[in-house]
Amino acid sequence: EAGVAQSPRYKIIEKRQSVAFWCNPISGHATLYWYQQILGQGPKLLIQFQNNGVVDDSQLPKDRFSAERLKGVDSTLKIQPAKLEDSAVYLCASSLDMPNEQYFGPGTRLTVT
Amino acid sequence: LAKTTQPISMDSYEGQEVNITCSHNNIATNDYITWYQQFPSQGPRFIIQGYKTKVTNEVASLFIPADRKSSTLSLPRVSLSDTAVYYCLVGEDSGYSTLTFGKGTMLLVSP
Repeated sequence: EAGVAQSPRYKIIEKRQSVAFWCNPISGHATLYWYQQILGQGPKLLIQFQNNGVVDDSQLPKDRFSAERLKGVDSTLKIQPAKLEDSAVYLCASSLDMPNEQYFGPGTRLTVT
Repeated sequence: LAKTTQPISMDSYEGQEVNITCSHNNIATNDYITWYQQFPSQGPRFIIQGYKTKVTNEVASLFIPADRKSSTLSLPRVSLSDTAVYYCLVGEDSGYSTLTFGKGTMLLVSP
């Protein structure tokens, strides 16, 4: 069974530029999550999708972050414009019918200079 | 959401049994206890989940006392490859429940 795929693995941009991350969850997993993990901290949930609907985006900085999950499969997370404090690893995860058992992708390491 | 408290770091040697204890005094009736493992440059990986008493799988055991205010993750005979951050999480496992990660416990296994 293929795992959660993410791309790119690494990205370096300058502040005020925009960036987009892509995630392909495990086939059949209806729930998809995006997390932000700052160095030395645990992952923080940014947004949760159930199929193509948003379940929780309470911690998503909506003035600069956006996410979509068209057709209930792949998802993209965008930052525009990026700030220095957005430097982090962005993790995508998916789950089937047990929210506590999530499968994580390898993450995208973003560096904003 | 119930808050969890776990040690920031632990050290061990290869071949030893490691027990990581997590405190969750405000755990709710419907909450489960879930542990994740994270290696450097990887996403977290689900290890084990339990509600009460003892749960065991091929990777670890989870001990939960009757009052459920704490839990202990037990790793038998650790190896160098068990060096990782271990997260204890508490929450419902149904509907649209979400996971809230703390800082976890950094386990360092030495030769």
